[in-house]
Amino acid sequence: AQSVTQLDSQVPVFEEAPVELRCNYSSSVSVYLFWYVQYPNQGLQLLLKYLSGSTLVKGINGFEAEFNKSQTSFHLRKPSVHISDTAEYFCAVRGNAGGTSYGKLTFGQGTILTVHP
Amino acid sequence: DTGVSQDPRHKITKRGQNVTFRCDPISEHNRLYWYRQTLGQGPEFLTYFQNEAQLEKSRLLSDRFSAERPKGSFSTLEIQRTEQGDSAMYLCASSETSGVITDTQYFGPGTRLTVL
Repeated sequence: AQSVTQLDSQVPVFEEAPVELRCNYSSSVSVYLFWYVQYPNQGLQLLLKYLSGSTLVKGINGFEAEFNKSQTSFHLRKPSVHISDTAEYFCAVRGNAGGTSYGKLTFGQGTILTVHP
Repeated sequence: DTGVSQDPRHKITKRGQNVTFRCDPISEHNRLYWYRQTLGQGPEFLTYFQNEAQLEKSRLLSDRFSAERPKGSFSTLEIQRTEQGDSAMYLCASSETSGVITDTQYFGPGTRLTVL
């Protein structure tokens, strides 16, 4: 089984400032890691994913995340945020050991990012 | 590619009524997932299909919930005898899987259910 903890429920930040949204996970098997963004009254949009290879992954809208296996973390960063980045962000994991039980995503509780002018 | 679509987008019903939601996945995606999201929480897995076979159901999916994907394309999620605790956003996602399981799930806009 997997679990995900997003350490901050809300992150306020000023426009053009850097931001980091923190995500820690636990799992008894190897995992794939994802960040999704959800704008009000919309479904989830994939920002980026880590499947294998380089631990630094780049996604859409200037976001990037770094997989740290020893710390079981997958923090999301952006060097300069815009007003339009205001949304809720979800970290998710999926077991990758194969088999049917590893299809589902396990999500964190979400972090609301609010960018102020 | 038109993305995952869900219908209806909003549903208001009275306690005790039955409701049915539909999800149309991205064409040729063989996996389809249902999740439920309550206010202030992340989505929680309900069930998923590979083609027409339902491969896993969460313990969250009580006997009042049933999902089908009869022809391996669209899926329906039915809730019988709705309760106020069923009020939530119901999200559908689809993915393409072949060989090694490295699918990425793409989500629809969701169906918001309100039970009065």
